[in-house]
Amino acid sequence: EIVLTQSPGTLSLSPGERATLSCRASQSVSSSYLAWYQQKPGQAPRLLIYGASSRATGIPDRFSGSGSGTDFTLTISRLEPEDFAVYYCQQYGSSNWYTFGQGTKLEIK
Amino acid sequence: QVQLQESGPGLVKPSETLSLTCTVSGYSISSGYYWGWIRQPPGKGLEWIGSIYHSGSTYYNPSLKSRVTISVDTSKNQFSLKLSSVTAADTAVYYCARSAGTIPPFAFDIWGQGTMVTVSS
Repeated sequence: EIVLTQSPGTLSLSPGERATLSCRASQSVSSSYLAWYQQKPGQAPRLLIYGASSRATGIPDRFSGSGSGTDFTLTISRLEPEDFAVYYCQQYGSSNWYTFGQGTKLEIK
Repeated sequence: QVQLQESGPGLVKPSETLSLTCTVSGYSISSGYYWGWIRQPPGKGLEWIGSIYHSGSTYYNPSLKSRVTISVDTSKNQFSLKLSSVTAADTAVYYCARSAGTIPPFAFDIWGQGTMVTVSS
């Protein structure tokens, strides 16, 4: 089973700053199978990025994803107030399985 | 647009079976896609429980497989979750969601709003 480890656990930044979130896999993951979600309090997760770097429908271009192998990154170029939330990475495995990272909380500094 | 809505009891007694239903609107389940359940204990992260294809093929998280059954009712455009022998550790918000399965985006693109289930006597 592939384990996804996200870092940092909490990231404190100010609006307008750049955010860089990391997701590291315990084994190599196909880039096609790596996704990122945003979750705000009391809401369901929202798909942001799939295939490591493709933005989902309606996602602003300040969100970008990159990486390959075991190291993946979600970057938010200029933080807007509505971007402060918890972010999860997720990988799709063989046999139609899914695993999630433990999440990174992005909070206002 | 496609919408998913979870329904079911908000309180389940320990050792009993948790049963939830997800009603899909705006799309016919029998047309395709995979339909899944994900849960989130209070203050914690996301855990995939399992998924079902419209044909009835099922895929379960190995850690829960012995207690989980997911089924689909295409006539009602619903799919359901049963989790047996529940304990307090099964207390969580339960989400239903759609995925494309074996084709991109290999992720859950549409989610229900979630329903809180508490296991307590």
